[in-house]
Amino acid sequence: NAGVMQNPRHLVRRRGQEARLRCSPVKGHSHVYWYRQLPEEGLKFMVYLQKENIIDESGMPKERFSAEFPKEGPSILRIQQVVRGDSAAYFCASSPPSGLTDTQYFGPGTRLTVL
Amino acid sequence: QQQVKQSPQSLIVQKGGISIINCAYENTAFDYFPWYQQFPGKGPALLIAIRPDVSEKKEGRFTISFNKSAKQFSLHIMDSQPGDSATYFCAASGYGGATNKLIFGTGTLLAVQP
Repeated sequence: NAGVMQNPRHLVRRRGQEARLRCSPVKGHSHVYWYRQLPEEGLKFMVYLQKENIIDESGMPKERFSAEFPKEGPSILRIQQVVRGDSAAYFCASSPPSGLTDTQYFGPGTRLTVL
Repeated sequence: QQQVKQSPQSLIVQKGGISIINCAYENTAFDYFPWYQQFPGKGPALLIAIRPDVSEKKEGRFTISFNKSAKQFSLHIMDSQPGDSATYFCAASGYGGATNKLIFGTGTLLAVQP
């Protein structure tokens, strides 16, 4: 049983470039969450998606950040025109369909470094 | 109201000792309280979780104590081992609605000395 998979594990971008982070949830999970962890800090919620729908994006910066979870394929977190302050670890978590459990299973994360 | 406050920031315990980490919350709508363990360079892994209908939950060496009236909960690690050295995060969720987003504490770095 594969857990949550994220790629790439490490990503280096120069200021102004785009970063695309991918997340494949646990098989059968239809809920995906993205969290950001800044150095020496806890995890901060960014966005919650179900297949083809954004349910809660209250933690997403208003500009440059977007997320999707298409019917087929992984969830994508996209950061346009990256700045140094975007350097962080980005974690994806997944959970089963509603009502089964509250447990969120986390992936290994993508560590983004903006030069 | 959506904060979860965690203490201490760091903790050093001798092997075989008891590690205690505390968390407090304000939002009474929270109804799910997990603890996650994170090793350097890895993602958080669920350790143990509790709901407000019980005051204590034990799994092996790990115990959550929950005080609903005080809006506090804590993690106790009995017989702490060097392999327990990691960062521990408490979290809370549950708004009775559309989202189960987790609100995390700031983390406790635990070091268990041999």
